[in-house]
Amino acid sequence: GENVEQHPSTLSVQEGDSAVIKCTYSDSASNYFPWYKQELGKRPQLIIDIRSNVGEKKDQRIAVTLNKTAKHFSLHITETQPEDSAVYFCAASSGDKIIFGKGTRLHILP
Amino acid sequence: NAGVMQNPRHLVRRRGQEARLRCSPMKGHSHVYWYRQLPEEGLKFMVYLQKENIIDESGMPKERFSAEFPKEGPSILRIQQVVRGDSAAYFCASSRDTGTGELFFGEGSRLTVL
Repeated sequence: GENVEQHPSTLSVQEGDSAVIKCTYSDSASNYFPWYKQELGKRPQLIIDIRSNVGEKKDQRIAVTLNKTAKHFSLHITETQPEDSAVYFCAASSGDKIIFGKGTRLHILP
Repeated sequence: NAGVMQNPRHLVRRRGQEARLRCSPMKGHSHVYWYRQLPEEGLKFMVYLQKENIIDESGMPKERFSAEFPKEGPSILRIQQVVRGDSAAYFCASSRDTGTGELFFGEGSRLTVL
């Protein structure tokens, strides 16, 4: 079955700097890659997703890249703000269940 | 349009008791997923159901855990004879489409086993 690895597990960046979170997946049939944000004590919520027919997608300060050959994808957050502090999960799906990485706890330092 | 509703939000059980967690998906969604989240860990897939069918239960422990999604009513995750290691947050999510559409999560049910 699918296995998703996510790095780093914890990331601290200065406010205004960029943050990058990387994930790899094992199932070459996976074709959908969402990213979820979970604030403390809250539910995970989708922030951006990418499908295998594109290599990059951007939404304001957030961008995702996908390299199907290498089976890895990344989340980029630019101009980080205090409200970006949360746990971020990458995930992969080949059409049925969605498998998540273990998460990255992002701290935005003042 | 109400979101995914889970109850109870918090449940305390003693070892050996049963825990029943309920999930009502969003209106129009027929796909339900259950995930377990341990402190400081990720979302571990447990089971994927459609109405009256278990599609994939590869993440469910072989014993004591069961799930259903009846024709009428909420999906239920049942844990029999709970042990301390079952203490976790259990999240339900629903989607309109299978596997390649947005998952909408409930607020989670936090189970504590004494």
